[in-house]
Amino acid sequence: NAGVTQTPKFRILKIGQSMTLQCTQDMNHNYMYWYRQDPGMGLKLIYYSVGAGITDKGEVPNGYNVSRSTTEDFPLRLELAAPSQTSVYFCASSYSGQDTQYFGPGTRLTVL
Amino acid sequence: AQSVTQLDSQVPVFEEAPVELRCNYSSSVSVYLFWYVQYPNQGLQLLLKYLSGSTLVESINGFEAEFNKSQTSFHLRKPSVHISDTAEYFCAVNAGNNRKLIWGLGTSLAVNP
Repeated sequence: NAGVTQTPKFRILKIGQSMTLQCTQDMNHNYMYWYRQDPGMGLKLIYYSVGAGITDKGEVPNGYNVSRSTTEDFPLRLELAAPSQTSVYFCASSYSGQDTQYFGPGTRLTVL
Repeated sequence: AQSVTQLDSQVPVFEEAPVELRCNYSSSVSVYLFWYVQYPNQGLQLLLKYLSGSTLVESINGFEAEFNKSQTSFHLRKPSVHISDTAEYFCAVNAGNNRKLIWGLGTSLAVNP
């Protein structure tokens, strides 16, 4: 099993550019999450989904968009990159809200 | 509102010494409790969890945590740490069958030789 995979591993963007962070899981999990991690700030939830076609905002959704057209994929879209979006982004999945979350290896994004 | 407080942001210890990483939560409903570990430049992975039953839960690498309902705590302990335990440790809570976890800010454990 690959678990949760994320691409790319690293990316440098210029201010105003857009990009999509990819996340795929092969565990048939209903729940998927996007977090960002900044030094000393822990994990902040950006968006989450409880199933295909259903998405909800987390703590810090501004500047991001998501879609969930299939159970496996949960891409995160940045439309107009800003320096404040420089961070490490983690995707995670779980069977339910009370179950273990399985994390991807992360995407390190720098916006200059 | 639910919240999680990890009382120490950094814990330096010497190899083979005992360690305790403290976690307190606030919730008026039943909770599920988790400790996750993040090794350098990696994603998070589950260390141990409390869902129900015995209040003392153990991991395969010698960590244990005890759910204390009266003190609303879920402290993580290990009697003898190794260099390889150097990592960031996160406490998380799911309260009231919520759809998402509430996360602490993390504790950085540095094990020195």
